[in-house]
Amino acid sequence: AQKVTQAQTEISVVEKEDVTLDCVYETRDTTYYLFWYKQPPSGELVFLIRRNSFDEQNEISGRYSWNFQKSTSSFNFTITASQVVDSAVYFCALKGNYGQNFVFGPGTRLSVLP
Amino acid sequence: DVKVTQSSRYLVKRTGEKVFLECVQDMDHENMFWYRQDPGLGLRLIYFSYDVKMKEKGDIPEGYSVSREKKERFSLILESASTNQTSMYLCASSSLPWTGSSYNSPLHFGNGTRLTVT
Repeated sequence: AQKVTQAQTEISVVEKEDVTLDCVYETRDTTYYLFWYKQPPSGELVFLIRRNSFDEQNEISGRYSWNFQKSTSSFNFTITASQVVDSAVYFCALKGNYGQNFVFGPGTRLSVLP
Repeated sequence: DVKVTQSSRYLVKRTGEKVFLECVQDMDHENMFWYRQDPGLGLRLIYFSYDVKMKEKGDIPEGYSVSREKKERFSLILESASTNQTSMYLCASSSLPWTGSSYNSPLHFGNGTRLTVT
């Protein structure tokens, strides 16, 4: 069975602080795909990043960075110098090599205070 | 940009009513999905479709059905709404055809429909 755990239900930080959102996954597939989505108050989930299991390079996009550690089955997301506009619910998701279901974590609600 | 449009942002229905949630995408995507989002549970897949008139059950199909008569439109039907179906419903689409093989296209979501059943 596949599972995604986001242990942090809610996080509050003050603007300009760095914040890391944790994601731990379980799968028996040797090839799989990991995703992060952002859900702002408007409700629409916005795709942020996709990672293949065979590519463990970390990635940076502006203030966002992702740390993929296959050894610990984690795919953590860091926002550097957070801004109020980063306030949202963030979901980590996993898709195995077969089938079409994306398994989502319960989400982490991030509040960035001015 | 991909556009996934859900017909209603908010709906209030009574117990026992038949409810239709509509979703349209404009990118000629083969795959369409209906998810339900509840606090603390994340998103759970209700049904998906990989082609016109094709459908597959997801994790929680009980009490729901779907219809896909045209490629761009995927409808979720609550046959007899119940209070435990009060939730946020999210439609999504993706571009690759379902072939049973490796598939890593991201999902593109609509804004969601918040349904309240009283």
